[in-house]
Amino acid sequence: ILNVEQSPQSLHVQEGDSTNFTCSFPSSNFYALHWYRWETAKSPEALFVMTLNGDEKKKGRISATLNTKEGYSYLYIKGSQPEDSATYLCAFSNNAGNMLTFGGGTRLMVKP
Amino acid sequence: GAVVSQHPSRVICKSGTSVKIECRSLDFQATTMFWYRQFPKQSLMLMATSNEGSKATYEQGVEKDKFLINHASLTLSTLTVTSAHPEDSSFYICSAMGERGTEAFFGQGTRLTVV
Repeated sequence: ILNVEQSPQSLHVQEGDSTNFTCSFPSSNFYALHWYRWETAKSPEALFVMTLNGDEKKKGRISATLNTKEGYSYLYIKGSQPEDSATYLCAFSNNAGNMLTFGGGTRLMVKP
Repeated sequence: GAVVSQHPSRVICKSGTSVKIECRSLDFQATTMFWYRQFPKQSLMLMATSNEGSKATYEQGVEKDKFLINHASLTLSTLTVTSAHPEDSSFYICSAMGERGTEAFFGQGTRLTVV
């Protein structure tokens, strides 16, 4: 059974604060690490798909880093806004391409 | 982004009946489709992975005879919950991926209630 762990489980921040979450995953048989944003009553939407060790991707105020050797990825949000409130999920994809296993998610709530 | 359509969005059925859930990729060819189940207050649990034209790969603990998955074409996968019981009541969601290493696109999910 694959362990994809995310921390913290939930996070409350004030508008304007910067924040980050962690995703840890198996370092063997790695193919890709995905980050998704899941708002209530909507489908999860992809933020990033990362494949290379040391990769760093950015989309607006959100960025992510990847360390495949030690098996972790960080997601950063700069200057959080209320509309950033959502559950952020990471997912591990293996070499065989026959699974996309999700972590438990980090639920972010940004207070105005 | 690409569109994945999942139907029905909500279904209530009697115990002992079977329910079929469809997942369609509308504007791309889905080489791989994933089926997930979400238990209350928990994250998405991978049930099975299906590749077009081949048998689904089920995760440990998921009964393949109870949760029948068919991926007959590059745009359609179905999950059939056979002989449903109240404990099968849950939120089921599919996702579809084109090329490996690209993002997965999710359906809207199906809320199944077995009474």
